[in-house]
Amino acid sequence: GAGVSQSPSNKVTEKGKDVELRCDPISGHTALYWYRQSLGQGLEFLIYFQGNSAPDKSGLPSDRFSAERTGGSVSTLTIQRTQQEDSAVYLCASSLDPGGFSLKNTEAFFGQGTRLTVV
Amino acid sequence: GQNIDQPTEMTATEGAIVQINCTYQTSGFNGLFWYQQHAGEAPTFLSYNVLDGLEEKGRFSSFLSRSKGYSYLLLKELQMKDSASYLCAVREGTNAGNMLTFGGGTRLMVKP
Repeated sequence: GAGVSQSPSNKVTEKGKDVELRCDPISGHTALYWYRQSLGQGLEFLIYFQGNSAPDKSGLPSDRFSAERTGGSVSTLTIQRTQQEDSAVYLCASSLDPGGFSLKNTEAFFGQGTRLTVV
Repeated sequence: GQNIDQPTEMTATEGAIVQINCTYQTSGFNGLFWYQQHAGEAPTFLSYNVLDGLEEKGRFSSFLSRSKGYSYLLLKELQMKDSASYLCAVREGTNAGNMLTFGGGTRLMVKP
């Protein structure tokens, strides 16, 4: 596709259920990021993928959160046993990775996000 | 890790100029981005700085001083549609790749 695609766009789930969020990055983008944004707040970093590997998982809030990326493309973020405090917009972004210091702008492109509501 | 600080809110008048500051602390600096985010929408790219100096793009300009860990976004001839959050993001090179971390964003309100 032309841009970053996320699904579903909206998800309402009951407390305690598991949810899976999907991100289709721009073709050829090696770097993929997941962020979480609560209403009126900034972007909270969750996890970063370089290809299929996740060099930095430090942002995952708890062990209920996990993510994977396959084929250097699609990524899924899974939240187990959801809690009400998990309610937020989950944003995915992808970019070409400059592989070091670069004068070239390799901006991150964002998907429209998944709005998760845990009731 | 890194710290990125920017003001939480700013207010300005239509037609005026506003400067939004961002300070950061990081090792392995590898570029600074400014994004615009309207309420309920995804962030969109505005500007990129990796060398010191000013980058101008129409009504928007962005400045970087790497030695001071400082950047600003300058918006000229403000329009009502410029009311949005402005996010400063720093890319940091690590052994494992490039991290992209965002500040908390500055909510700009443009008044008539």
